[in-house]
Amino acid sequence: DAGVIQSPRHEVTEMGQEVTLRCKPISGHNSLFWYRQTMMRGLELLIYFNNNVPIDDSGMPEDRFSAKMPNASFSTLKIQPSEPRDSAVYFCASSLMGQGGEQYFGPGTRLTVT
Amino acid sequence: QKEVEQNSGPLSVPEGAIASLNCTYSDRGSQSFFWYRQYSGKSPELIMFIYSNGDKEDGRFTAQLNKASQYVSLLIRDSQPSDSATYLCAVNNAGNMLTFGGGTRLMVKP
Repeated sequence: DAGVIQSPRHEVTEMGQEVTLRCKPISGHNSLFWYRQTMMRGLELLIYFNNNVPIDDSGMPEDRFSAKMPNASFSTLKIQPSEPRDSAVYFCASSLMGQGGEQYFGPGTRLTVT
Repeated sequence: QKEVEQNSGPLSVPEGAIASLNCTYSDRGSQSFFWYRQYSGKSPELIMFIYSNGDKEDGRFTAQLNKASQYVSLLIRDSQPSDSATYLCAVNNAGNMLTFGGGTRLMVKP
């Protein structure tokens, strides 16, 4: 079984550019989560979706961040414009609702904004 | 504010010893509890989950839950250098959301 798939694995961009991160959840999972991890702040939940609908986006840092889930097998996290402080590892995770909350993480995207 | 607290470590144990990792949480309504292992530069990997008070064993790993004390722990028996990683405790409060602790770095020395 394929796990959560994320692309790209590494992204280096200049300040002010638009960045789009992509995620394909585990087939059959109906909840999807976007996290950001830094040394200073640890693992932070940015937003999560149930059945493609955003449920809680209180962790999204500001309006520069947006996320979509157009169907059950694809989600994007967009940063526009990017800033150096956005440099972090971004993880996508998925789970099956009603199964106790077990989440499975993708390999992550390491974003560097110069 | 729902919180999950872990000692950041590093916790250093000799090879073959028992490593004991601890976690406390603030929300008494928490329903399920998870331990993730994260190697440097990798993503968190689910290794144990526990829903009921008591112990749950899986190979060399034992998760312990005490809801009255709001405390969950992970024991690793016969620790190996390959167990060296950061261990994240996570708590399910509502729906599918998890609140993560800051992680404990474990070092197993040969």
